Amino acid sequence: GEQVEQLPSILRVQEGSSASINCSYEDSASNYFPWYKQEPGENPKLIIDIRSNMERKQIQELIVLLDKKAKRFSLHITDTQPGDSAMYFCAASRASGGSNYKLTFGKGTLLTVTP
Amino acid sequence: NAGVIQTPRHKVTGKGQEATLWCEPISGHSAVFWYRQTIVQGLEFLTYFRNQAPIDDSGMPKERFSAQMPNQSHSTLKIQSTQPQDSAVYLCASSLVGASAETLYFGSGTRLTVL
Repeated sequence: GEQVEQLPSILRVQEGSSASINCSYEDSASNYFPWYKQEPGENPKLIIDIRSNMERKQIQELIVLLDKKAKRFSLHITDTQPGDSAMYFCAASRASGGSNYKLTFGKGTLLTVTP
Repeated sequence: NAGVIQTPRHKVTGKGQEATLWCEPISGHSAVFWYRQTIVQGLEFLTYFRNQAPIDDSGMPKERFSAQMPNQSHSTLKIQSTQPQDSAVYLCASSLVGASAETLYFGSGTRLTVL
């Protein structure tokens, strides 16, 4: 089955700087790569995703990049704020319109944004 | 829309006892997933149902774990003869079938503690 590696496991950045989280996957058939944010005591929530027909996607301060050849994808948070402090999970799946496939998650990155 | 509802929020069992966890998916969502979350392993896939049918249970420990979805409004995860290593947060998620089928909506989880 799919394996997803996520690094770093812990990340501390200063407010206003950028934070980057990197993930790699093994299954070349994976074509859907979401990112979930989990705040303390809360459930994981989707914040941004990218499909294999794209290399870059941006939603406000969130940028995701996908390198299919290298089987890597990454999340970049620009101009970080204390509210960005949370656990972040990357995931991969072989999703197809109309079908559901299980997400394989990375082990998470605990991001702390310090004032 | 109340989101995915999981009960109980917390459950404490003694070693060897049985634990049953309940999940009510979002109305209209035909896919239900169970994940287990621990600090060490992160989010581990357990099993999923689509239109109440079991699709993939490859993540389920075979001997003591079982899951059912008797109707479209609830799913259960049962752990027999619980062991301390079963202690984790068990997350249920649901998603649509069709467009945007990949987005998982997680419940708040059941924190299982096995003494």
